[in-house]
Amino acid sequence: AQSVTQLGSHVSVSEGALVLLRCNYSSSVPPYLFWYVQYPNQGLQLLLKYTSAATLVKGINGFEAEFKKSETSFHLTKPSAHMSDAAEYFCAVSSSGYSTLTFGKGTMLLVSP
Amino acid sequence: KAGVTQTPRYLIKTRGQQVTLSCSPISGHRSVSWYQQTPGQGLQFLFEYFSETQRNKGNFPGRFSGRQFSNSRSEMNVSTLELGDSALYLCASSLEGGGETQYFGPGTRLLVL
Repeated sequence: AQSVTQLGSHVSVSEGALVLLRCNYSSSVPPYLFWYVQYPNQGLQLLLKYTSAATLVKGINGFEAEFKKSETSFHLTKPSAHMSDAAEYFCAVSSSGYSTLTFGKGTMLLVSP
Repeated sequence: KAGVTQTPRYLIKTRGQQVTLSCSPISGHRSVSWYQQTPGQGLQFLFEYFSETQRNKGNFPGRFSGRQFSNSRSEMNVSTLELGDSALYLCASSLEGGGETQYFGPGTRLLVL
């Protein structure tokens, strides 16, 4: 069975500071890994996806994530936070051949001026 | 291309009633998945349809059902509503499923009184 753990239900940063959202996964087969963002009263928007082509994945809005197999991690980073980044972020995993996404509990990112 | 659309966006029902939610996938996408999002349980997979056939099913009671039409549009039905069914129901589509990126709609927020 797959599972995803997101460390920290809330992360607070100042505008301009580094953003680091943590995600660890477990999967018995090579996974597909995703980061989605959800703004209030909206659906999920894809930030980036890991598919084994490269361990460092660049996404939209300046976000990137690094796949580390030895640590079973896929942490999301952004060098400089912007007020518009305040939202809830979800890490998800699926396996090749299956559409089922298993999500973490989410991390709410708070950005203060 | 138009994104995933879901109707209605908001719905209020009473216990014991039934409800039908609709999802129109991105043009050309044949896989449609449904997820339930609640504050307590987070995002949980309900089921996936591909070419009018249910391909995967999550761990939900039989009161939750769905179907897919030949144009890939999908509906989900919840019968005998319970208070705990209050949630945001998200639909996602992908070309073929199987680990591909899923694109989410804005969701239908269901409140059961």
